[in-house]
Amino acid sequence: SQKIEQNSEALNIQEGKTATLTCNYTNYSPAYLQWYRQDPGRGPVFLLLIRENEKEKRKERLKVTFDTTLKQSLFHITASQPADSATYLCALGGDSNYQLIWGAGTKLIIKP
Amino acid sequence: NAGVMQNPRHLVRRRGQEARLRCSPMKGHSHVYWYRQLPEEGLKFMVYLQKENIIDESGMPKERFSAEFPKEGPSILRIQQVVRGDSAAYFCASSSLVLGGLETQYFGPGTRLLVL
Repeated sequence: SQKIEQNSEALNIQEGKTATLTCNYTNYSPAYLQWYRQDPGRGPVFLLLIRENEKEKRKERLKVTFDTTLKQSLFHITASQPADSATYLCALGGDSNYQLIWGAGTKLIIKP
Repeated sequence: NAGVMQNPRHLVRRRGQEARLRCSPMKGHSHVYWYRQLPEEGLKFMVYLQKENIIDESGMPKERFSAEFPKEGPSILRIQQVVRGDSAAYFCASSSLVLGGLETQYFGPGTRLLVL
């Protein structure tokens, strides 16, 4: 069955450093992958979408890579700030143009 | 430009009662999705609707659960005869064929359902 894995342990990063989160998947060939941010008590907020033919995507301090051979996406936040603390979700898409398969998320804590 | 709105934000029901969750999509969006999220778990797709049509309800239990998106008014997710296992956060998302495409979904704040 299709499986998507994100590190279940919280990631603690010192302010100013680069935070890197991992999303691995198996038994699936997604046409695209998305990253969302979710704060406690709130709905996910879309951050970035990367397609299967793209290696890297950037948006301000965010960078996403997508390696379809390794079946892995990395999500980087450079110059991290305490306000970046949240749970980050990855989601795979492709079988349809709307149905996503979601990871459980990784909690990121940026310490001042 | 208001985002996706959901109400109520919190809903408490006793076993056997009905729960009715509402979702108003972003202005200009005609595609609505409902998800369920349990603590420490990923979002689980339930149903995808367009105005007056259910496009895909493959993630929604066949019994007790129903969804609609009428021509006028919000989308409704209805859970009849709730059981404790229905306790979860229910999120609604919307998307547009134009803005970002169907892949980019914009989420509401969720309704947290607690069944006593």
